[in-house]
This record gives sequence, C-alpha cells and structure tokens, in this order.
Amino acid sequence: AQRVTQPEKLLSVFKGAPVELKCNYSYSGSPELFWYVQYSRQRLQLLLRHISRESIKGFTADLNKGETSFHLKKPFAQEEDSAMYYCALFGGGADGLTFGKGTHLIIQP
Amino acid sequence: NAGVTQTPKFRVLKTGQSMTLLCAQDMNHEYMYWYRQDPGMGLRLIHYSVGEGTTAKGEVPDGYNVSRLKKQNFLLGLESAAPSQTSVYFCASSGGGTVEAFFGQGTRLTVV
Repeated sequence: AQRVTQPEKLLSVFKGAPVELKCNYSYSGSPELFWYVQYSRQRLQLLLRHISRESIKGFTADLNKGETSFHLKKPFAQEEDSAMYYCALFGGGADGLTFGKGTHLIIQP
Repeated sequence: NAGVTQTPKFRVLKTGQSMTLLCAQDMNHEYMYWYRQDPGMGLRLIHYSVGEGTTAKGEVPDGYNVSRLKKQNFLLGLESAAPSQTSVYFCASSGGGTVEAFFGQGTRLTVV
C-alpha cells in the first residue's frame, strides 16, 4: 500500500530564514509526487509536482528515490508562506491519490 | 470555469439524520475523491472512484457510502449521522498520473 509521511505537524520559522518541509513516501513503483498548499479558509491548490522540476513562489522539491523523500524547500521564508502544506503521491491504477497528514507552516515576522 | 463544486457549503445535522453531499466536476476527470479534514489529522481519504460506476474504500470509510453513477458526479452519503462525523469535507478530482487534482471549496458539517 502506498503511504505518505510528513513528520512535522507544525513548523515555525522566522521571516527570511530557510524552510524545509519533510515528506517521505512508501511505494513499490515509480510514484508521481506533489505538494499542495492550503491558505487560511481556502481550498487546497497545487503548489508543484516533481515531474515539472519547477520553482513556484520560490519553493522547490527534489525527488530522492534512494531516500524515498520529496522535501519542500525555500531559501528565504516570507510571511505569506504561512499555510498548511500537504505532500501527495499518485501511485496509479486503483490506488488513487494519497495525502500526508500535512504540516502547518507558520512564518513569524 | 467551474472546476469542482460541492453542495452544500454548510450543514448542521442532528444525530441520526441522513444527508448526501454532492460533488460535481466539469473537467472530464476519471478520478474523484472524498476527504475529511480534522484539526491535527490532516486529510483522510473516505472513499474514491477511478471511473464511472466504480468506487473504493479509503482510510476512513465507516459510516459513509458513495456512488458514481455519472462520470461528473460523486455523491457522499451519511445514513445515520454521528457527532464524530463533524468535519470539513473536501471533494477532489483528477485525471490521474501527473495531472493536477482540483479541490472543491469544502463542506462544513456539524452533527449535534
């Protein structure tokens, strides 16, 4: 069964500091991995996907198959980054899309 | 440009009452999902569907039923609501693979 683990429920950093939100996955094949973000009182929206290798709002994430990780990073946090962040895995077929429990990121001024 | 629409947005139920939440998507997506979101618990998958006429259980299916009679609609039913089902419910749809999943705006359900 596929599984996504986000070990930190809450992460608090100061504005301007680097941010790393951890995500580890368990899946036997080659998964598709995503980061979704939920700002206060809004619906979840896609932040980035590993296949695109893109940087969105200064965030990047690299898939490390050896460590089965897909950590989200940003070198300099901004106050508007405060939100819930969810790592997700699509394993294909009948397994659908699985989310981690989420990390609440708080950026302090 | 509707995307994913959930009905209703808010609902208060008494214990034992039944209700159906409707999710509609206009993107011709194969996959549809129902999640519940609770403080400290993140998103938990209730049921999902990989295509019209198919449904499957997720992580927390007890007390819920679903149907996908039409590709664009995914219904979540509560036959006998319990206070433990007080939550925010999100529907999502995706085309699978690397395709982005789109979420509805959520339904805030309170069972008293």
